[in-house]
Amino acid sequence: GAGVSQSPSNKVTEKGKDVELRCDPISGHTALYWYRQSLGQGLEFLIYFQGNSAPDKSGLPSDRFSAERTGGSVSTLTIQRTQQEDSAVYLCASSLRGQGLRMVQYFGPGTRLTVT
Amino acid sequence: GQQLNQSPQSMFIQEGEDVSMNCTSSSIFNTWLWYKQDPGEGPVLLIALYKAGELTSNGRLTAQFGITRKDSFLNISASIPSDVGIYFCAGLFNNAGNMLTFGGGTRLMVKP
Repeated sequence: GAGVSQSPSNKVTEKGKDVELRCDPISGHTALYWYRQSLGQGLEFLIYFQGNSAPDKSGLPSDRFSAERTGGSVSTLTIQRTQQEDSAVYLCASSLRGQGLRMVQYFGPGTRLTVT
Repeated sequence: GQQLNQSPQSMFIQEGEDVSMNCTSSSIFNTWLWYKQDPGEGPVLLIALYKAGELTSNGRLTAQFGITRKDSFLNISASIPSDVGIYFCAGLFNNAGNMLTFGGGTRLMVKP
């Protein structure tokens, strides 16, 4: 079946502008995650949605970052007043809820954000 | 917070060589995962480990969940050119909402 999809694949924006990144999780997956990957680095957790529960925002680096998930499916990550240090690849992942293989996270291809 | 130290950061391989990489943590994890990331792609799951001491294979890949729950290794036997890429370990502590903590990655390159 279809995997996690993200759009756009690349985004170049000027410093100070707002950007929106979209994630379509695997159908039926109740958990959705956003991570950030800086050049040559590992992935840094940003935010986690599980069903209708309040999201875990503990990884968001500043109040310029926000995310929402509509209808328990599509999610949008918004970065306001972008800064150059926001340049990174933003990865979305989704998983089922449960134990063992059900909780394995499947990743999308990412959105490469460049702030000039 | 939790941190994962992954080593080596990079290594050159010659086709046919065995490869080994590992991750250590300052805290325990309930689950260890190994992912591979190709350029322009998201990480793809290679092996998942759920119990301390567990040794799991996936083709030429073998990974183990350390007894202390603070470490894991990944071995690749008889490497081939398509093994090139970045390998990440990731730990999960289920009470933490299922978010993964990632190591810094091991970049595998082919010797010229």
